Amino acid sequence: QVQLQESGPGLVKPSGTLSLTCAVSGTSIGNSNWWTWVRQPPGKGLEWIGEAYHNGITNYSPSLMSRVTISVDKSKNQFSLRLSSVTAADTAMYYCATGYDVLDIWGQGTMVIVSS
Amino acid sequence: DIQMSQSPSSLSASVGDRVTIPCRASRGISNYLAWYQQKPGEPPKFLIYATFTLHSGVPSRFSASGSGADFALTISSLQPEDVATYYCQQYNTAPRMFGQGTKVELK
Repeated sequence: QVQLQESGPGLVKPSGTLSLTCAVSGTSIGNSNWWTWVRQPPGKGLEWIGEAYHNGITNYSPSLMSRVTISVDKSKNQFSLRLSSVTAADTAMYYCATGYDVLDIWGQGTMVIVSS
Repeated sequence: DIQMSQSPSSLSASVGDRVTIPCRASRGISNYLAWYQQKPGEPPKFLIYATFTLHSGVPSRFSASGSGADFALTISSLQPEDVATYYCQQYNTAPRMFGQGTKVELK
């Protein structure tokens, strides 16, 4: 059974960098899945952030592309999200998710607050 | 980039009612359309892929239809446990955007 678990700081200072990791269990991160990050500001809808394939191919949301990096670590069977120059608008629940094309497996999410 | 829109943002219905949730893409996406259900305090749950194919374990009261750019999710007989927000997502091309969501509430 594939499981995902997000981890990382729950509080990030404005202008800082948000860094999250998603640990993958029950499957190899080298399989034919897209490894995806999605976020949800409080009381709002889902926002697709971006995705990475095990070979390094990435796709990002145009609105975040200048600030976001998603990477895959095969040795640790995990993938990561880095979002730079954060503001209060980046406060959200961050989910990692995966699937061959649709997102059929989701982590429980981790709340990140941007505040000084 | 393909934008997804869902309207209305919320709707109210009674138990047993037939509920239809529309979703529109800014251009044709073939049948690369998925639906997710999210209950308060929970991560989204994958429901439907390839426009109308139910994921394993999804109750048969859920169905979906559409083609090209216009799609819909239907709940044939609304149950209390169906109270949730429903999101469509296109996966024809990246970025794989979500619709804004439609919140289904009980009258």
